[in-house]
Amino acid sequence: KAGVTQTPRYLIKTRGQQVTLSCSPISGHRSVSWYQQTPGQGLQFLFEYFSETQRNKGNFPGRFSGRQFSNSRSEMNVSTLELGDSALYLCASRRTSGGLYNEQFFGPGTRLTVL
Amino acid sequence: DAKTTQPPSMDCAEGRAANLPCNHSTISGNEYVYWYRQIHSQGPQYIIHGLKNNETNEMASLIITEDRKSSTLILPHATLRDTAVYYCIVRPPSDGNQFYFGTGTSLTVIP
Repeated sequence: KAGVTQTPRYLIKTRGQQVTLSCSPISGHRSVSWYQQTPGQGLQFLFEYFSETQRNKGNFPGRFSGRQFSNSRSEMNVSTLELGDSALYLCASRRTSGGLYNEQFFGPGTRLTVL
Repeated sequence: DAKTTQPPSMDCAEGRAANLPCNHSTISGNEYVYWYRQIHSQGPQYIIHGLKNNETNEMASLIITEDRKSSTLILPHATLRDTAVYYCIVRPPSDGNQFYFGTGTSLTVIP
């Protein structure tokens, strides 16, 4: 079956702009999580959505937001971009949220560069 | 989440077993040990997880000490494609999908 897809794969923006990234989870998966990866901070959890509701949120400012649609697809938005937002943004999908572990699958990521 | 400590880097000869250690001395009774790896420029990939018994799958084996304060991921016959950053994560299963990846161990498999 198809894996997690993320669009776009690469993006260049300037400071002050906003950006929307998209993630399509594996069919049947209802949980979508977002992570930011930078050389300095490593992989950091942004938030998780399950059944269109935000379930967990990491320690990021309010400029970072997300949502999930009824078909489980998810978008994340970053407003008022800063240079430090340049990163690889990864999406992970999972069949359910919580409970006994079920494997999460990561997408290839969106490489965002802020100039 | 319990804090984990991993060596920043390791080398392994191709065809030999790669043993990657992880220290998690503050692990709680309900926390599992998970291993993921990330090959350059790709998303992380799940490898294996366990609670207290040793686990084995087609990719690797996980050895957890009896006191659960440390564990070792074993790749039995390392190949060049196993060159990646390996993350050891400790967390309870009820924590949704919130994983703290830490800095991991950069494994280089040498031909």
